[in-house]
Amino acid sequence: QSALTQPASVSGSPGQSITISCTGTSSDVGSYNLVSWYQQHPGEVPKLMIYEGNKRPSGVSNRFSGSKSGNTASLTISGLQAEDEADYYCCSYAGSSTLIFGGGTRLTVL
Amino acid sequence: EVQLEQSGAEVKKPGESLKISCKGSGYSFTKYWIGWVRQMPGKGLEWMGIIYPGDSDTRYGPSFQGQVNISADKSISIAYLQWSSLKASDTAMYYCARFRGWELVIDYWGQGTLVTVSS
Repeated sequence: QSALTQPASVSGSPGQSITISCTGTSSDVGSYNLVSWYQQHPGEVPKLMIYEGNKRPSGVSNRFSGSKSGNTASLTISGLQAEDEADYYCCSYAGSSTLIFGGGTRLTVL
Repeated sequence: EVQLEQSGAEVKKPGESLKISCKGSGYSFTKYWIGWVRQMPGKGLEWMGIIYPGDSDTRYGPSFQGQVNISADKSISIAYLQWSSLKASDTAMYYCARFRGWELVIDYWGQGTLVTVSS
């Protein structure tokens, strides 16, 4: 069971939109609409941004959205802001009460 | 308010044993999965495993099965992560987390416990 595949880095300018992909297999991402996304600023605890594919917890900006197509889930951040600069991790349910994380993506706001 | 309070940083030598803890409060401890996520220095998050304190059902990630032991004492609302023989490669930050529902959404995180293994 390998980690979900994410790009190592993405970047964008303030106000732009970016998308981070998360590719798994038919055993995890492809089988369930249960991908979560976590944001982690340096030295901080991860924070839930999206769950069950496209749901936002209370308090998370609607600039964050999630989607899925086949074995690939995506996180889109619109209206990029400096505070969005962080590491982002996808995480998928993988059956039998287990989870698998992606390798993480470093978002740089130019 | 849901809180997960982890035990403090540890410095150990290779071959030593270790048990770190995570105390849950502000919610019904026996009704949520609780578990551990590893973050090695400069690296990503890795799902280690979880336990359901209500019945002690435990699941492990493939890389961690047989390498660590996850347990819980529901009488005092504490979950544990234990090693019998540490290696230098166990050096990492270990986060305790609460997992919501059968979907296992991580909705609360502990502050992390830094484990350093060095001779």
